[in-house]
Amino acid sequence: DIVMTQSPDSLAVSLGEGATINCKSSQSVLYSSNNKNYLAWYQQKPGQPPKLLIYWASTRESGVPDRFSGSGSGTDFTLTISSLQAEDVAVYYCQQYYSSPFTFGPGTKVDIK
Amino acid sequence: EVQLVESGGGLVQPGGSLRLSCAASGFTFSSYAMSWVRQAPGKGLEWVSAISGSGSGTLYADSVKGRFTISRDNSKNTLYLQTNSLRAEDTAVYYCAKNEGSSCYGPGDVWGKGTTVTVSS
Repeated sequence: DIVMTQSPDSLAVSLGEGATINCKSSQSVLYSSNNKNYLAWYQQKPGQPPKLLIYWASTRESGVPDRFSGSGSGTDFTLTISSLQAEDVAVYYCQQYYSSPFTFGPGTKVDIK
Repeated sequence: EVQLVESGGGLVQPGGSLRLSCAASGFTFSSYAMSWVRQAPGKGLEWVSAISGSGSGTLYADSVKGRFTISRDNSKNTLYLQTNSLRAEDTAVYYCAKNEGSSCYGPGDVWGKGTTVTVSS
């Protein structure tokens, strides 16, 4: 199974400041035949289901604010929130869908400082 | 509006069974793979199973393989998860999710609100 790790476990950021979350997979999730990274990012607020933010590592889902961006390839990925807003307080998960089982990272909790 | 509504959760004794359902609307159900993801109380997300749009392809997490069965009825726009031989560690909120495409190998782009399964004597 591909093991997903995230860092940090949690972070507190001032409103308007940037936040960076890292995700690492135990093996590459880059499919060479189509040059796509099978990696997604989700946001989950308390009491709500997850919401897809980013897929194929860097494609923003429709309706997601452009302050959210994804980058990386192979085994190392990053979710960046360029200017944190109050509504961004949540837990963020990465997930690989390259190889079954489609494992999630343990999550990173983002709070306001 | 794309919508997923789960049902069928509840309290069940260890060793018991439940059939979870997910009613879909607002999209061409048969064109999309579907998934189940669960979340134990206070824990992270765990992918459980996925099924292709036609229903011909299925995938399972090792933790549920042989005990859970995913299926779909495209005529009823409904996804199912038959859960057997339930254990305390299966206690969780179970979410269904619409995949981004027809393949199981994709992210979930629309999620239901979840149904709660509690396994306890």
